[in-house]
Amino acid sequence: GDSVTQMEGPVTLSEEAFLTINCTYTATGYPSLFWYVQYPGEGLQLLLKATKADDKGSNKGFEATYRKETTSFHLEKGSVQVSDSAVYFCALTISQGAQKLVFGQGTRLTINP
Amino acid sequence: DAGITQSPRYKITETGRQVTLMCHQTWSHSYMFWYRQDLGHGLRLIYYSAAADITDKGEVPDGYVVSRSKTENFPLTLESATRSQTSVYFCASSEQQGGTQYFGPGTRLLVL
Repeated sequence: GDSVTQMEGPVTLSEEAFLTINCTYTATGYPSLFWYVQYPGEGLQLLLKATKADDKGSNKGFEATYRKETTSFHLEKGSVQVSDSAVYFCALTISQGAQKLVFGQGTRLTINP
Repeated sequence: DAGITQSPRYKITETGRQVTLMCHQTWSHSYMFWYRQDLGHGLRLIYYSAAADITDKGEVPDGYVVSRSKTENFPLTLESATRSQTSVYFCASSEQQGGTQYFGPGTRLLVL
């Protein structure tokens, strides 16, 4: 079945450090890929998405490129801030049916000042 | 305020009791979803709905019932709560097939 695997957390970095959170997927068909972010006590918010191979999603300084050859969608940010502390979820949908999201297990990120 | 809301935000209940979690959205989105969030599992789909009166099972539907008599509401009922249903429950909606899903703030449920 379709699945998403994220790097295990928690991840702790200092402010202004470079961030990478790895995400790989297994899917039949041609998935769309997403990164969602969950701030403490809140629901999930869409951070960025990519709908086809080689697309790059970007938002708030975060980027991720849809790599079909490596089935990956790694999240990166050049200089993190304390306000980026959250849980990050990689997810996919297949272009069939109701577009159900399949999530990775989440990666908790803590940024220290 | 427009958006997607869930109630209650926190609920404590006992094993065997029936519990209903409410979800309401003001956008008239066609699609609505219920997920549960557990450590180590991310979010898993319980049920979804493509329109009023159309619902279907997700990955973990056992022990749950849904209905959708109106487009804006999508209640989730635990018919006889069990400890394994202790979780955080998120409702989401999207306007169209393949569209962005917008999540509610979640309901934290504890079953004793």
